[in-house]
Amino acid sequence: DSGVTQTPKHLITATGQRVTLRCSPRSGDLSVYWYQQSLDQGLQFLIQYYNGEERAKGNILERFSAQQFPDLHSELNLSSLELGDSALYFCASSVGAVSNQPQHFGDGTRLSIL
Amino acid sequence: GENVEQHPSTLSVQEGDSAVIKCTYSDSASNYFPWYKQELGKRPQLIIDIRSNVGEKKDQRIAVTLNKTAKHFSLHITETQPEDSAVYFCAAQFTGTASKLTFGTGTRLQVTL
Repeated sequence: DSGVTQTPKHLITATGQRVTLRCSPRSGDLSVYWYQQSLDQGLQFLIQYYNGEERAKGNILERFSAQQFPDLHSELNLSSLELGDSALYFCASSVGAVSNQPQHFGDGTRLSIL
Repeated sequence: GENVEQHPSTLSVQEGDSAVIKCTYSDSASNYFPWYKQELGKRPQLIIDIRSNVGEKKDQRIAVTLNKTAKHFSLHITETQPEDSAVYFCAAQFTGTASKLTFGTGTRLQVTL
């Protein structure tokens, strides 16, 4: 158990819909990262939040957005879903915002678009 | 931008043999290099990491070496066991205000009896 909690574990929805993925970081961790894992793209960084503020953006689509709340949990919102959005979405957390710190991953949310 | 190449994509070894996975990175300012093990349908699990001021690090049967001049790092697993079978990902992190990880494409390790 990494201490990072993600809900739900599975999501099945249709094209055009909107979903919200939730992540609670490990106790004491202030940074949250979102990654997307698909078969053909591997693990891709989406976005990082540190203590409530956006810190870095990766290959995140405009249809996707995220935020980190005062209690440090984070939500990833995916809208106007397309078949290609089907993937595993992982959240990771680390203590701070700078480099050299281990990132620990949650169990992921498997998103299936029908 | 940051790019990480990983080889081989698949690796099959017999139980008890050693396995070596190699990665190269493009950004010379990278300073943190973790390795993750991912079993089918599960989360990436951090197994070992190395920082740029260190050339080698060992943890029981697992070791990682870093050559900053050549910009490559390797994972070495000795005395492999069937439970070592998984996909292994290397990653690199760029020094800066953000700490995102750039991952390699993964190596599927199969340890056969």
